[in-house]
Amino acid sequence: DTEVTQTPKHLVMGMTNKKSLKCEQHMGHRAMYWYKQKAKKPPELMFVYSYEKLSINESVPSRFSPECPNSSLLNLHLHALQPEDSALYLCASSQDASGKNEQYFGPGTRLTVT
Amino acid sequence: GQNIDQPTEMTATEGAIVQINCTYQTSGFNGLFWYQQHAGEAPTFLSYNVLDGLEEKGRFSSFLSRSKGYSYLLLKELQMKDSASYLCAVGDNFNKFYFGSGTKLNVKP
Repeated sequence: DTEVTQTPKHLVMGMTNKKSLKCEQHMGHRAMYWYKQKAKKPPELMFVYSYEKLSINESVPSRFSPECPNSSLLNLHLHALQPEDSALYLCASSQDASGKNEQYFGPGTRLTVT
Repeated sequence: GQNIDQPTEMTATEGAIVQINCTYQTSGFNGLFWYQQHAGEAPTFLSYNVLDGLEEKGRFSSFLSRSKGYSYLLLKELQMKDSASYLCAVGDNFNKFYFGSGTKLNVKP
């Protein structure tokens, strides 16, 4: 099973809402990632979890809060977002976070902030 | 800082061969990856190079020269379904993964 799943596929939320994005993999990967991708742009790294610990936060605003409950799950909690946060949010996983292993991407959650 | 450059867009004809170039300057290097991304979909892994030379995988080949900070992706026998963006990405020594801006490939009949 080389699949990374993400829910929901689409999400529309107001600027005062609280919502969560979920990601799951069962490949035994020990590194998981959140990326943000705007239209016609490459994915931008947001967070890296290595062995369930946050190892990289790319200066992401605190209205985005990641969580890794266990080695298979990764959440992204959203609160008080801005319209400019509308984007495709991609989750990925890899065997480890050494930078030597390919990342497997989920289908993404398309987020619209109104 | 990190700098990964690719051409923005390329056009090629069905059945032809196309080469997509990527140059990079990164602080540390643990490998270069190529991904394919169709519009509105997630990137899918194509190839990985960590040593100099050519890696061949079916219709797709990827080349790396670490001394020149250069890679290319070669697509042979182009098919219409190959129309997509091709992303070059570098893994550095600090557990980070940087994507180039991507090359949009248009395959025409």
